[in-house]
Amino acid sequence: DIQMTQSPSSLSASVGDRVTITCQASQDIDYCVNWYQQRPGQAPRLLINDASNLHTGVPSRFSGGGSGTHFTFTISGLLPEDVATYYCEQYDNLPLTFGGGTKVEIK
Amino acid sequence: QVQLVESGGGVVQPGRSLRLSCAASGFSFNDVAMHWVRQAPGKGLEWVGVVSKSGSDESYADSVKGRFTVSRDNSKNTVYLEMNSLKSADTAVYYCAREGAAVTTTHYFDYWGQGTLVIVSS
Repeated sequence: DIQMTQSPSSLSASVGDRVTITCQASQDIDYCVNWYQQRPGQAPRLLINDASNLHTGVPSRFSGGGSGTHFTFTISGLLPEDVATYYCEQYDNLPLTFGGGTKVEIK
Repeated sequence: QVQLVESGGGVVQPGRSLRLSCAASGFSFNDVAMHWVRQAPGKGLEWVGVVSKSGSDESYADSVKGRFTVSRDNSKNTVYLEMNSLKSADTAVYYCAREGAAVTTTHYFDYWGQGTLVIVSS
């Protein structure tokens, strides 16, 4: 199975800060990564697919990048409504696997 | 609008069985594959399994292979998760999720249900 190592596991930042989360894949997965947001008590929500494609209706302060084994997810200008846990997911091979999550809080 | 509504969760004893349902509406159900994803309390997301559009193909995580079965009834716009030989480690919120990609060269979950909680405990 492909392991997705996500870091950091949690972070605290101020409103307006730039926040970056990384995911490292255990093998080359090209661009086969998605990013999801899960607000407390809610189901996950797709933000980024295919490593860098902003999903329909997602604000442009969210972005993704990377390929191969190293991927990044960035929030450019953190807002209070961005308090959530963020997950990467690889789909290069079954089983689909997720990173461990990054909990984002407001300082 | 797209809606996915899970049901069937509850408390069940170890070794017993349970069947979850996910009723879909607002889209052409038989045009998309459907997945189940679970989340243990306070933990991350774990993919459970997928059923193809027609219901003829399935794939599973190793942790549930041989115990869980994903199936669908396209006449009822419903996907099911049959869970047998349940263990305490299966305690989780179970989400059904729609395959959003129209082609097999990519994948993403574009819609999720609200989840149903399964507690395996004696």
